[in-house]
Amino acid sequence: KAGVTQTPRYLIKTRGQQVTLSCSPISGHRSVSWYQQTPGQGLQFLFEYFSETQRNKGNFPGRFSGRQFSNSRSEMNVSTLELGDSALYLCASRSPGTGKETQYFGPGTRLLVL
Amino acid sequence: GQQLNQSPQSMFIQEGEDVSMNCTSSSIFNTWLWYKQDPGEGPVLLIALYKAGELTSNGRLTAQFGITRKDSFLNISASIPSDVGIYFCAGLEPGAQKLVFGQGTRLTINP
Repeated sequence: KAGVTQTPRYLIKTRGQQVTLSCSPISGHRSVSWYQQTPGQGLQFLFEYFSETQRNKGNFPGRFSGRQFSNSRSEMNVSTLELGDSALYLCASRSPGTGKETQYFGPGTRLLVL
Repeated sequence: GQQLNQSPQSMFIQEGEDVSMNCTSSSIFNTWLWYKQDPGEGPVLLIALYKAGELTSNGRLTAQFGITRKDSFLNISASIPSDVGIYFCAGLEPGAQKLVFGQGTRLTINP
């Protein structure tokens, strides 16, 4: 099976712009989670989508949003970018309900806000 | 939110040495996962544990699910340069949907 894919891999934006990141989960996985990773803060949970519905949400401002499509692909959007949004954004997929939860990460999108 | 206590935060060792790191929680978990992350890449799943007392190996890596269900450890034997990276533990509480992650252990190896 192909792994989790994320596009783009690298992105440079300026303050005030918005950005959309894309994630395609492993085939058959219906849950997609998003994380922000910065050197000082480690892995910070953004939100999780399951069957097109947001199921869990982390402590991030409303500028961070996401959605999931019927094919389980997910996008996250960050509006009005700030310098502090520079980070590695990771997507992960898993297939809940199997009794043996396992989560697989994509390679990440590195966002630089200037 | 809840976080796991992962230690040590960093390790500096000689090539060939064994490595041990662990994660503890105040809550019981029914799943423990261990990941390795190389710079600029996403974490890669190393070992998954689902049962208290379970001991699982993946090559030179061995991980155990603590019998109290509140801890887990990861051992790396005979370390080599490609073991360098950040290791994360992650746990799932019974009935929960969201994984909880440790802060990571940064491993540096001196040749």
